[in-house]
Amino acid sequence: ILNVEQSPQSLHVQEGDSTNFTCSFPSSNFYALHWYRWETAKSPEALFVMTLNGDEKKKGRISATLNTKEGYSYLYIKGSQPEDSATYLCATPHNAGNMLTFGGGTRLMVKP
Amino acid sequence: EAQVTQNPRYLITVTGKKLTVTCSQNMNHEYMSWYRQDPGLGLRQIYYSMNVEVTDKGDVPEGYKVSRKEKRNFPLILESPSPNQTSLYFCASSLSEGRNNEQFFGPGTRLTVL
Repeated sequence: ILNVEQSPQSLHVQEGDSTNFTCSFPSSNFYALHWYRWETAKSPEALFVMTLNGDEKKKGRISATLNTKEGYSYLYIKGSQPEDSATYLCATPHNAGNMLTFGGGTRLMVKP
Repeated sequence: EAQVTQNPRYLITVTGKKLTVTCSQNMNHEYMSWYRQDPGLGLRQIYYSMNVEVTDKGDVPEGYKVSRKEKRNFPLILESPSPNQTSLYFCASSLSEGRNNEQFFGPGTRLTVL
């Protein structure tokens, strides 16, 4: 089973703070890294799919970077808002196949 | 509206009583997948399908069956449910290969097996 780890498990920040969290994955046989945002009582929604080492993607205040050689990705949220409160999941395929393994997620809570 | 639908959304059943959770997508996606979500264990893939009549096991396939007779539908079948299959289940689809295409998730089915 592929080992995909996310840290921290949970994070409490104040509105306006910028924050970041990490997804670690095996660097061998890397193919792609997915980030999803999962709000309570809803379904996960895709943020980014990244494939190239050094890739940086941005959507509004959220951005992500990818380092495939060392096996990690960072997700950054600039100026957190209460509506950013959610669990953020990363996922990567097994050995470049089509079976996705998800990390345990980082639960972000933004206090107004 | 482009979407993935699942039915039922909530189900309480008893051990051994066969059930099917339906999943349908209207986006003409080739790839479909089932996940279960359990506290502390995250999302785990049960089965996936690359296209019609092509299915493969995920990380936790034991106790489940799937079929892909039509492109839009990917039902999850529990032939003899047991309490350890109590979970939140998500169906998802993507344009083609699941590995490099974003997954679109259904609303989830909360299953309780007594």
